[in-house]
Amino acid sequence: EVQLVQSGAEVKKPGESLRISCKASGYNFTNFWIAWVRQMPGKGLEWMGIIYPGDSDTRYSPSFQGQVGISADKSISTAYLQWGSLKASDTARYYCARLEYCGGDCYFPAFYFDYWGQGTLVTVSS
Amino acid sequence: QSVLTQAPSASGTPGQRATISCSGSSSNIGSNNVKWYQQLPGTAPKVLIYSNNQRPSGVPDRFSGSKSGTSASLAISGLQSEDEAEYYCAAWDDSLNGWVFGGGTKLTVL
Repeated sequence: EVQLVQSGAEVKKPGESLRISCKASGYNFTNFWIAWVRQMPGKGLEWMGIIYPGDSDTRYSPSFQGQVGISADKSISTAYLQWGSLKASDTARYYCARLEYCGGDCYFPAFYFDYWGQGTLVTVSS
Repeated sequence: QSVLTQAPSASGTPGQRATISCSGSSSNIGSNNVKWYQQLPGTAPKVLIYSNNQRPSGVPDRFSGSKSGTSASLAISGLQSEDEAEYYCAAWDDSLNGWVFGGGTKLTVL
């Protein structure tokens, strides 16, 4: 059974750093792209970026480029989303989502997110 | 402000048909296929429709999708109380080089 299990809720202060995780199981982690999606309180979904764990090829949404970092550790089938300096506006629930199989050289428009993590709530407040 | 535009709310009574619309542009819906995701309260999104009108296995045939030009629609027939959820359209945007979503439509089954 495919599962994406995310790390628990975090409460941080502005300026602090943070890394949240998404542990995959039930499939070959290295062969599927993993994306991160933000959902701010009461708002819609926003795609942040995506990584191919097989070779760490990473793409970012222009809105999030330079604001967050996405990485993956193949040895423990885990993807990460990290911030160097959090802002109050980073308060949101963050989801990881697996892109259905398309290989490393993927034509992204044709594919969809077939499995999602349960989400990690990040609260940034002084 | 989301790149794809959806009405914030829709409603229907049990057994009725509900339709949710999504409007985009030539760089997203106009040139790429559309997905629809359902987000039940307090849960993660789940794909309902891909490639404009295809259902993954396990999704009831009460859900159907269509696309015309730069707009897409999700239709839900035989409404049930468990269909109360937020529905999001999504597509790849060639200009932004990434996935874009609609703002979501909250469906209420009266």
